[in-house]
Amino acid sequence: EADIYQTPRYLVIGTGKKITLECSQTMGHDKMYWYQQDPGMELHLIHYSYGVNSTEKGDLSSESTVSRIRTEHFPLTLESARPSHTSQYLCATSGQGSSLTTYEQYFGPGTRLTVT
Amino acid sequence: KNQVEQSPQSLIILEGKNCTLQCNYTVSPFSNLRWYKQDTGRGPVSLTIMTFSENTKSNGRYTATLDADTKQSSLHITASQLSDSASYICVVSDRGSTLGRLYFGRGTQLTVWP
Repeated sequence: EADIYQTPRYLVIGTGKKITLECSQTMGHDKMYWYQQDPGMELHLIHYSYGVNSTEKGDLSSESTVSRIRTEHFPLTLESARPSHTSQYLCATSGQGSSLTTYEQYFGPGTRLTVT
Repeated sequence: KNQVEQSPQSLIILEGKNCTLQCNYTVSPFSNLRWYKQDTGRGPVSLTIMTFSENTKSNGRYTATLDADTKQSSLHITASQLSDSASYICVVSDRGSTLGRLYFGRGTQLTVWP
């Protein structure tokens, strides 16, 4: 079944630690995205990728980095976590095809990160 | 500045009742507007997507309307159920971007009481 997987679902970690949030998909989509969402606030795009070896920064400045070595995998890394990084991180994909299909985004379940 | 504003911020209704959520946007050029449902602790799930030429689109008990002239949309929920409790997010996409740039509202938090 086509799906988007994010691990871990919840993470509590101390300041200064390096963390990697995993996102994998079996949707067969080229485009992948990372969003950051605080409670009651809108989603902010922090990174996106058009395909393998393609990564771009989004609208919201982020200290995280991403990589896209395989089509199905788009991990996000924080080299040194800080309390300001506490948030929910959502991974999404969108597929090629008609313009409407291209614009349709599918979201993973999210990772709730807490940095103490 | 491209923006998406939603109202009300939160809403409480009794099970079985109807409700309407509002979305106003200033995104230009306009490509499409979509409504997502986001359960607590989960990712958003698409309910409807409408282009410029579409005025109404239904998905079960959810009916979305779009007035591209006034840049307003509404999401009407009929015969609400407890499982409708969630955040409903209005998202507008602009035209001319290969990325399909999305502008997100902050959502309306709907709570359905028994």
